[in-house]
Order: sequence, then structure tokens, then C-alpha cells
Amino acid sequence: AQSVTQLGSHVSVSEGALVLLRCNYSSSVPPYLFWYVQYPNQGLQLLLKYTSAATLVKGINGFEAEFKKSETSFHLTKPSAHMSDAAEYFCAPRRGSNYKLTFGKGTLLTVNP
Amino acid sequence: GAVVSQHPSRVICKSGTSVKIECRSLDFQATTMFWYRQFPKKSLMLMATSNEGSKATYEQGVEKDKFLINHASLTLSTLTVTSAHPEDSSFYICSAGDTGDPYEQYFGPGTRLTVT
Repeated sequence: AQSVTQLGSHVSVSEGALVLLRCNYSSSVPPYLFWYVQYPNQGLQLLLKYTSAATLVKGINGFEAEFKKSETSFHLTKPSAHMSDAAEYFCAPRRGSNYKLTFGKGTLLTVNP
Repeated sequence: GAVVSQHPSRVICKSGTSVKIECRSLDFQATTMFWYRQFPKKSLMLMATSNEGSKATYEQGVEKDKFLINHASLTLSTLTVTSAHPEDSSFYICSAGDTGDPYEQYFGPGTRLTVT
């Protein structure tokens, strides 16, 4: 079964600082990997996805993530945090052609002025 | 493109009544839709997978007689919470897989259910 670990339930950064949100998956077969963002009382918006093409994936709003098979990781980064980035972020692997996603527990990102 | 809507966005109902939540894919066909439940400050818990024209597949621990799912067309799935109780109060989110895209799953904006 697919499992995912997001280290740090809460990450706080200053505006303009680097954002690093960690995600490790547990799978013998590299899955498809997704990062979603959720703003308060809203649904989820896809930030980016890894589908076994390029290991460095660029997404919306300046975010990117690098798939590292040796580390079973797919950490999300952004060089410079913006106040509007404050939200909950979820990492979610998916196995094969089955749409079913397994969500991490989420990381709440707060951005301080 | 790829918009999923949910209706209603918020609903308050009395204990013992039933509530229906609709999930629609507005500009694509969705053979498969998913229903999630999200508790405050918690992750999404998959409740069931809804397949067009067939019975939904429920996750372990989810009462299928409590949470009725119908996926009658390629653009509409409904979740009915029957005999609702206060502990059913939650944020319910649906998502839809695009039959033409094997990777994407698009999420609705969610429905806030409060049972009094």
C-alpha cells in the first residue's frame, strides 16, 4: 500500500525566505506524485505533478519539486515566499493508472511579514 | 477548463434528516469520482470511489448505508448523508478524474455540512 510522510505539520517562514516542504513516499515502485495547495474553506488546487518524465518539476506560483528516487522524496520548494503562499500543502502519491490518491497529513505554511 | 463544482457549498441540517451533495464536472467527462471527508486541521480521508454506472467502492470503515453515492452520468455524482448526526458535520470534498487524461484529478470547492 502507498504511504506518504510529510515532515513538519507546520512550517513558518519570513516573506522572501526559502520555502521547503518535505514529502517522503513509501513504495517499491516510483508512483506518480502530486502536490496540492488548500486555502481556508476551499478545495484543493494542483500545484505540480511528477509523472516519470523530468525529475525536476515546475509548478504554478513559482513552486517546484524534485523527485529523488534514491531518497524516496519529493520535496516542494520555492525560492522566495510570498504572503499569499500561506496555506495548507498536501503531498499525494498515486500508484499507476488508478486515480486513487493517498494524502499526507499536510503542512501548514505561514508566512511572516 | 477542468472545473468541478459542488452544491451546496454550505448546508445546515437537523439531526435525523438527510442531505444530498452534488458533484459535477463542468467541462469534461469523469468516469471516476471520489468523495473525501476532511476534519478540521486534518488531511483528506477518502470515503469512496464513485464509478459511473456501477456501485461505489467504499473505504474500510465507511458505512455505505449511511453515505449513499450515486454516479448516474459522466458528469454528476451525488453523496447523500442519511439520518445525519452531529458527528457527520465535516467538510466534504469531491474530485473527478478526466477520462481523457490519466494523470489529473480535479477537486471541487467542498461542502461544509453542519448537523445541529
